[in-house]
Amino acid sequence: DIQLTQSPSFLSASVGDRVTITCRASQGITSYLAWYQQKPGKAPKLLIYAASTLQSGVPSRFSGSGSGTEFTLTITSLQPEDFATYYCQQLNSYPRTFGQGTKVESK
Amino acid sequence: EVQLVESGGGLVKPGGSLRLSCAASGFPFSSYRMNWVRQAPGKGLEWVSSISTTSNYMYYADSVKGRFTISRDNAKNSLYLQMNSLRGDDAAVYYCARDDGSNWGLEYWGQGTLVTVSS
Repeated sequence: DIQLTQSPSFLSASVGDRVTITCRASQGITSYLAWYQQKPGKAPKLLIYAASTLQSGVPSRFSGSGSGTEFTLTITSLQPEDFATYYCQQLNSYPRTFGQGTKVESK
Repeated sequence: EVQLVESGGGLVKPGGSLRLSCAASGFPFSSYRMNWVRQAPGKGLEWVSSISTTSNYMYYADSVKGRFTISRDNAKNSLYLQMNSLRGDDAAVYYCARDDGSNWGLEYWGQGTLVTVSS
């Protein structure tokens, strides 16, 4: 099974900050990586798919990059509505594992 | 508008069974792979199971293999998860989620249904 490791697990940031979250896969997954945002009590929301493609309706301050085993999610200027937990997921093979999550909190 | 509405959650005793349903609307259900994802209280997301469009292929997490069965009824636009031999660590919110059509991500999610396992 492919393991995904996100770092950091917790991140304190301020509005306007540039935020970067890393997701590392235990083996190569080409570009079969998605990023999700989840707010408390809500279902996850797809932000980025195919490692770097922005889902329709997602603000352009979100971006994804990487391929193979190392991926990043970047928020260029953090907004109040971006405080949430972010997950990566690999869809290269089954089981379709998720990373453990990164909680972005207000500093 | 795409809608996924889960139902069937509730309180069940350890060793018991439960059947979750997901009613889909707003898209051609039979054309999309479907998934179940769960989230234990205060924990992260865990992929549980996926089913292909014509039910030819089903996949399961090791944690549920042999106890859970995913199925779908394309005529009824519905997805199901039969859960048997439930354990305490199966307690979670269970989400139904639709693939994006190209194996790149889970594009649409339901609101979730809560399963509590307790004696």
